[in-house]
Amino acid sequence: SQQGEEDPQALSIQEGENATMNCSYKTSINNLQWYRQNSGRGLVHLILIRSNEREKHSGRLRVTLDTSKKSSSLLITASRAADTASYFCATEGGGSNYKLTFGKGTLLTVNP
Amino acid sequence: ETGVTQSPTHLIKTRGQQVTLRCSSQSGHNTVSWYQQALGQGPQFIFQYYREEENGRGNFPPRFSGLQFPNYSSELNVNALELDDSALYLCASSSPQATGQETQYFGPGTRLLVL
Repeated sequence: SQQGEEDPQALSIQEGENATMNCSYKTSINNLQWYRQNSGRGLVHLILIRSNEREKHSGRLRVTLDTSKKSSSLLITASRAADTASYFCATEGGGSNYKLTFGKGTLLTVNP
Repeated sequence: ETGVTQSPTHLIKTRGQQVTLRCSSQSGHNTVSWYQQALGQGPQFIFQYYREEENGRGNFPPRFSGLQFPNYSSELNVNALELDDSALYLCASSSPQATGQETQYFGPGTRLLVL
């Protein structure tokens, strides 16, 4: 079953604009991670935010986490055509293994 | 590039057949996880192997089985293939940290089509 739900399902913007994607989840987590996937290929890890963190930056990426609302957002600033991809949030809930539970993803299209 | 490789890249099988997918993990990683990604969906956890032992399993039937070898490479075997098994199969390697938080590095995937 899917833990996270990304919103919106699809987003189309112009180059240079900012893109914001949201993720909601249902159970308690150890951390939340964002991944990018190009054209149905492998997933590329973007950023990990721990459950005791509220905000994290990496280059043009900014991630926030609100554990009281069980939600996270990914902001991509000054988007480029190369950012066109599907973006997934994934939660790691702890336990004896480190399985990731993914949402259905947001398809981002950045138009030149 | 993550250093995780998978083979084959594409595969076509018919219902009832068996398939073996392979994954070579990133150097130094002792944990491999397998995920199934149906078209338009997010990846779903199949199982994880840590030091050659199964270390957690998702909601998949027993006809999905796996192995991890001493060099930490891994296989995913699926018996009695069904049409719904058509998907992208992803493996991810990682190395557990004392903090319990880790990044999983994904391979490019094997796309399986069952006819």
